[in-house]
Amino acid sequence: AQTVTQSQPEMSVQEAETVTLSCTYDTSESDYYLFWYKQPPSRQMILVIRQEAYKQQNATENRFSVNFQKAAKSFSLKISDSQLGDAAMYFCASCTYGQNFVFGPGTRLSVLP
Amino acid sequence: SQTIHQWPATLVQPVGSPLSLECTVEGTSNPNLYWYRQAAGRGLQLLFYSVGIGQISSEVPQNLSASRPQDRQFILSSKKLLLSDSGFYLCAWSVAGVSTSPLHFGNGTRLTVT
Repeated sequence: AQTVTQSQPEMSVQEAETVTLSCTYDTSESDYYLFWYKQPPSRQMILVIRQEAYKQQNATENRFSVNFQKAAKSFSLKISDSQLGDAAMYFCASCTYGQNFVFGPGTRLSVLP
Repeated sequence: SQTIHQWPATLVQPVGSPLSLECTVEGTSNPNLYWYRQAAGRGLQLLFYSVGIGQISSEVPQNLSASRPQDRQFILSSKKLLLSDSGFYLCAWSVAGVSTSPLHFGNGTRLTVT
C-alpha cells in the first residue's frame, strides 16, 4: 500500500524568501507519479506541480520546483520568492497506475510580510 | 476546456435528514470521478470513486452512498445524516486510462450537521 508523510504540520517564510516543504512516500511500485496540491483559504484544491517517477529531471513550474530523490523516496517542494498569495495548506500526493491517489496530512504555510 | 461544478457550496442539515450533493463535469468524456471528505485541518479521505456509469467503489464503510447516473454526473447521498458526517466534501475527476492525469477538484461543499 502507498503511504505519504509530511512531517511539517506548519511552516512559515518571510515574503520574497525561499521555503522547502518536505514529503516522503512509500510504494512498492516502480511506476508512480507524485503531485503537490495547494489549498488556499477558499479551500479549492489547486495542482501546483507533478513529477513522473521515471523522469530524473526535477519538475519546475515558475517559482515552484521539486527535489525528487527516488532512492530516498523523498519529494520536497521549493517555493522561491515567496508571495503572500502562497499562504495555504500544501498536500503531497502519490498515485500508482491503476490505483487511487494517496494524500499526505498537509503542511500549513504562512507567509510573513 | 474541462470544468467541474459542485453544489451546493454550503449546507446546514439537521441530524437524521437526507443528503444529496451533486457534481458534474463538462468538456470530457468517461472521466474517473471521486468523492473526498476533509475534516477540519486534516487531509483528504477518499470516500468513493467511479470509472463508469453505475460503477461505484467504496473506500470507507459509512453512512454515505454514491451514484453515477450519467457519464459526467456523480452524486453523494445519505438517507439519514449523522453529526460525524460534518465536513468539507470535494468532488474530483481525472482522465481515464492516463496514468499521469492529475485530479481536478471542484470548489467543495461545506456540510454542517446540527
